[in-house]
This record gives sequence, structure tokens and C-alpha cells, in this order.
Amino acid sequence: EIVLTQSPGTLSLSPGERATLSCRASQSVSSYLAWFQQKPGQAPRLLIYDVSDRATGIPARFSGSGSGTDFTLTISSLEPEDFAVYYCQQRSDWPVTFGQGTRLEIK
Amino acid sequence: QVQLVQSGAEVKKPGASVKLSCKASGYTFTRFPIHWVRQAPGQRLEWMGWINAGHGNTKYSQNFQGRVTLTRDTSATTTYMEVNSLRSGDTAVYYCATVNFDSWGQGTLVTVSS
Repeated sequence: EIVLTQSPGTLSLSPGERATLSCRASQSVSSYLAWFQQKPGQAPRLLIYDVSDRATGIPARFSGSGSGTDFTLTISSLEPEDFAVYYCQQRSDWPVTFGQGTRLEIK
Repeated sequence: QVQLVQSGAEVKKPGASVKLSCKASGYTFTRFPIHWVRQAPGQRLEWMGWINAGHGNTKYSQNFQGRVTLTRDTSATTTYMEVNSLRSGDTAVYYCATVNFDSWGQGTLVTVSS
């Protein structure tokens, strides 16, 4: 199965700063890479699909980029509600797999 | 709007089975598959399988093949997941999600404890 490795494990930033989260795949996932946000006690929320397409209702400060095996989620200017855990996901091959997550915490 | 509503929390003993439900609304149920994903405490999300709500075809992760069964009731617009031979490592929140993972159920906590 395709293994997704996210870095860093924890990212400490202040509101207004720029956040850059990384996801590396063990083999190419083509463009089938998505990002999710999860807050405590809540289901994951789809942010980005197919590398760079924002899901419905997702603010423009969230953007995705990358190709092949290396991908990035960027939050241009952090809002207080953005502090959460972020997961990448690939649907290029079965089984669907997720990264281990990056915790974005308030500095 | 699309909504998935899952059944309530369960407490089971090791070796028992559990059957969870996920009721869909807001779209034509038979047009799209439903995924099931679980999250053990402090762990990453783990995809378990999916069911084509129209044909009933299923696909499972090898990690759960033989121990998990997905079914659906089209008249009730509901999918079901049964997990057999429960063990403590199955303690997790179980989610259902739409085909593109753009809508999720609220999750069902399953606790396996003697």
C-alpha cells in the first residue's frame, strides 16, 4: 500500500502567519491527493482534492500544490479557527491511505 | 444538502460483533458508493472499505478482509458495517463518508472492553 508521511508532526505558529504542511508518498499518486482538517471531537473536513482544488466553502487562504510524490498544503494567513490536525490522503491506488497528520498549534 | 447520520455509541466485549449504520439523505442514494473509515485513539484515519449503494458491490482493505461486512438497504437509504471478532484494538470512532469524502457522518464510538 502507498504510505503517506507528513511533516512536521507539530507546527507552532501565530495567527496571521503562513503555514506550510508537507506530505510525501512512497510512490507516485498522480493527482489523487487530498487534504483534510480535523478538530477535536469532529469528523474530518475535506479542504483540498486533486492536489489543488478547493472543496465547496473552503476559504481561499487554503491552497494545495505538488505532483507525483511531494505535496504541500499552504494556509496563507492563519485564522484562530485554523488550528487543528491536518491529514493528507491518496486515492491513486487501493487501499485509500492517509498520512499520520500534522498538528497545527497556536504558538 | 447531503447528510450522513450514524448510529449511536456501542460497548462490546472481545470476541463479539457490532453492526453500525449510516443513513444518507440529500442525494440519490443508489448513485454513489459510501466509504467506511475508522480512527483509533490518537491514530491516523484508516480506510476500511466501500460499498456501491446501487449494485451492492463491495471492496475491503486487506486489513479487514474477512472480518468486516458492508451491506445496504436501498429503501432505507442506509448502509451497514458489521465487524466480527472484536478485539481491544478495534476501539475507535467509525465514520462513513460519501464517495469523494466531501461529506462525513458524525462518527460512532465503538469501545471493546472486557
